[in-house]
Amino acid sequence: GEDVEQSLFLSVREGDSSVINCTYTDSSSTYLYWYKQEPGAGLQLLTYIFSNMDMKQDQRLTVLLNKKDKHLSLRIADTQTGDSAIYFCAESKDNAGNMLTFGGGTRLMVKP
Amino acid sequence: DAGVIQSPRHEVTEMGQEVTLRCKPISGHNSLFWYRQTMMRGLELLIYFNNNVPIDDSGMPEDRFSAKMPNASFSTLKIQPSEPRDSAVYFCASRQNTEAFFGQGTRLTVV
Repeated sequence: GEDVEQSLFLSVREGDSSVINCTYTDSSSTYLYWYKQEPGAGLQLLTYIFSNMDMKQDQRLTVLLNKKDKHLSLRIADTQTGDSAIYFCAESKDNAGNMLTFGGGTRLMVKP
Repeated sequence: DAGVIQSPRHEVTEMGQEVTLRCKPISGHNSLFWYRQTMMRGLELLIYFNNNVPIDDSGMPEDRFSAKMPNASFSTLKIQPSEPRDSAVYFCASRQNTEAFFGQGTRLTVV
């Protein structure tokens, strides 16, 4: 079966880097995503990576994928207080509209 | 595009009442998902549609829950009768190819 797991909580100081980790079990996962949820809001897509890629960088965000270990990480450089939110990783098998499977979310707290 | 639009944003209802949640997906998106978010269970997929056809409803908790997508621009999630344990935030998302976009959610409270 499919399972996506994340640690529950991460606390960092403003200006430091944050690394949020995710593991998944389905080796046929093709697309892996990071979503951000701010309090009282919906999920905002931050970035995604195809399974044939190792890394993707987008401004302060770096996604690393270790397909062998089924491990995905999101690094936020120069973390700001506005980055405080819950971050969800998700996976899907293809781009034909199949369902997204989400992890439980990691709550990131950024201290001034 | 205004994004995925859900209504209402908040709903408070009494146990036993019927509740209908509404979703307007992004125009041109051919997949639509309904999720439920609670503190205890996180995000759970309830049902998803491809081209207005329900593909997988195995996440629908009970027969009290039903979802329809009569056309490409509208979907409803109905709970009848509602129970206090249905209290949660319900998200609708739509997707075309790679990216799925979420609505702001409907916060349902059943008292």
